[in-house]
Amino acid sequence: GAVVSQHPSRVICKSGTSVKIECRSLDFQATTMFWYRQFPKKSLMLMATSNEGSKATYEQGVEKDKFLINHASLTLSTLTVTSAHPEDSSFYICSAREAGEKNEQFFGPGTRLTVL
Amino acid sequence: GDSVTQMEGPVTLSEEAFLTINCTYTATGYPSLFWYVQYPGEGLQLLLKATKADDKGSNKGFEATYRKETTSFHLEKGSVQVSDSAVYFCALRGSNTGKLIFGQGTTLQVKP
Repeated sequence: GAVVSQHPSRVICKSGTSVKIECRSLDFQATTMFWYRQFPKKSLMLMATSNEGSKATYEQGVEKDKFLINHASLTLSTLTVTSAHPEDSSFYICSAREAGEKNEQFFGPGTRLTVL
Repeated sequence: GDSVTQMEGPVTLSEEAFLTINCTYTATGYPSLFWYVQYPGEGLQLLLKATKADDKGSNKGFEATYRKETTSFHLEKGSVQVSDSAVYFCALRGSNTGKLIFGQGTTLQVKP
């Protein structure tokens, strides 16, 4: 299957700082990218959906000013956690899909964020 | 709203044992159903899927049948291997929203 990469795989930061996570589709054009958050022993929760060149659509309860998503190209989306706090510590996973809702979504390996 | 419920893990089995991981769903309309697998240190990978009632998805010895009457999509494998140790996620894609909704994941550990 297609490959989606995430960088960094692990990040530790101080409270109040901002952290950027990159998601890249390596061998296909991802017209749509998704960002998920996964808590320990919990399901993946969809945070937002972004289409290349347009603003992201956030799920209910997700603060768009705190979790900034940019999908500037067909192979790159970024998630910036602004003014991070310990409660933002989590596992963030991105997913990418080619054009068409019925196409398969491919998932990145995830980024472990720890905010001290 | 749409939701997916999986049996809680961890599930620990000996090699060559029979595996069942239960999954039930709640959804409006006609969702597509999926099983994803996440090996240690890797991203989720699609294991199998079924897009309509009575469809059977299969891959790598794993099977699951879309049962509309019981709203279930249980994952089965006749003889597990140590290499099957991973976290398994059941998911649906709503026909209305097109979004993937995941269950909480079930950890499978297979011992030699």
